[in-house]
Amino acid sequence: DGGITQSPKYLFRKEGQNVTLSCEQNLNHDAMYWYRQDPGQGLRLIYYSQIVNDFQKGDIAEGYSVSREKKESFPLTVTSAQKNPTAFYLCASSKQGGIEKLFFGSGTQLSVL
Amino acid sequence: GENVEQHPSTLSVQEGDSAVIKCTYSDSASNYFPWYKQELGKRPQLIIDIRSNVGEKKDQRIAVTLNKTAKHFSLHITETQPEDSAVYFCAALVTGANSKLTFGKGITLSVRP
Repeated sequence: DGGITQSPKYLFRKEGQNVTLSCEQNLNHDAMYWYRQDPGQGLRLIYYSQIVNDFQKGDIAEGYSVSREKKESFPLTVTSAQKNPTAFYLCASSKQGGIEKLFFGSGTQLSVL
Repeated sequence: GENVEQHPSTLSVQEGDSAVIKCTYSDSASNYFPWYKQELGKRPQLIIDIRSNVGEKKDQRIAVTLNKTAKHFSLHITETQPEDSAVYFCAALVTGANSKLTFGKGITLSVRP
């Protein structure tokens, strides 16, 4: 499991609550990404960051927020504005200059209580 | 934006037979096409990729072909084994600043022993 680490593995959210998913990498990669995986929906991009202190919205950013204060870390906050947060969340990273090869974390399963 | 579609959504083959998974893409500027394999409960991993300047690439039992005119690419697995059972995702990318992968919805391949 070296390289990119996500925690926790399972997370439960109460209604109205914000929760934060952790993603840390020691691959010295500049770019990091958050994907949401729902059954039959593939991998949909939430947010991505090509460099520290900068990030862009992906295809389904509403209800989510991120920060990139350190190269190694890219936490994702699922806010109360995300009305359907139950999903499997995958973090990934890649070298600078392109995302040709993504290295994925092992994922966090978020469920709503 | 880019739209990637995979067909079929599920595929079942007998062990030892070949499997072919097809993807189509919409953006003719896409120039990089990876395939990721996700075994049950595990993270997606890159298994093979192809760039738009080649028509075919092989790696042992797997190969990928690209038809730029028709805007489709296919994954070919020969001599299938039970450990090939997984979800396979294709993706397409236009390389450049802030480039990002667009994934298909995935296909579940089952190899019957």
